[in-house]
Amino acid sequence: EIVLTQSPGTLSLSPGERATLSCRASQSVRSSYLAWFQQKPGQAPRLLIFGASTRATGIPDRFSGSGSGTDFTLTISRLEPEDFALYYCQQYGSSPPLTFGGGTKVEIK
Amino acid sequence: EVQLVESGGGLVQPGRSLRLSCAASGFIFDDYALHWVRQAPGKGLEWVSGVSWDSGRIGYADSVKGRFTISRDNAKNSLYLHMNSLRPEDTALYYCTRDRGSGRYYFEFFHHWGQGTLVTVSS
Repeated sequence: EIVLTQSPGTLSLSPGERATLSCRASQSVRSSYLAWFQQKPGQAPRLLIFGASTRATGIPDRFSGSGSGTDFTLTISRLEPEDFALYYCQQYGSSPPLTFGGGTKVEIK
Repeated sequence: EVQLVESGGGLVQPGRSLRLSCAASGFIFDDYALHWVRQAPGKGLEWVSGVSWDSGRIGYADSVKGRFTISRDNAKNSLYLHMNSLRPEDTALYYCTRDRGSGRYYFEFFHHWGQGTLVTVSS
């Protein structure tokens, strides 16, 4: 089982600032099969990024993903008020189980 | 528009059973793998189980293996989760999710999500 560790647990930033979220895997993620999700209170998660760096349909270009192997990053270039939320990474493409990271909360400073 | 609507949640005593259902619309149902993902109150996301387009590939989290059974009915555009021997730690919001792919060779990521159905296991 691939264990994903997200850091930091909480990121306190102001609107307009840059957010950098990390997701580290316990072993190499095949073919950069890593996805990122955003979840707001009371809502289902929403897909942001797949294949480590491909934005899902309708996702603004201030969201970008990068990385390979065991280290991946989600960057939000300039935080908008609606971006303050929880973010999860997820690995796929290997034998089950599919696994999520523990999440990073981006909160308003 | 892809729609996934879960039902069947509720309050159940430990050791009892429950069946969750997910009604799907807005896409060709038997082209895609489907999954159940759960979220305990105030906690993170946990993949529970997945099934490929033809039910030829099925997977379970270790935490539910042997107690939960996933199934799908392609004629009814429906996904199910049969949950037996329920435990308090199974208390969670259960989401029905659609994979990006068919699951023929491997499962991918959760492209679309329902709004979830709440399962509470308590005496």
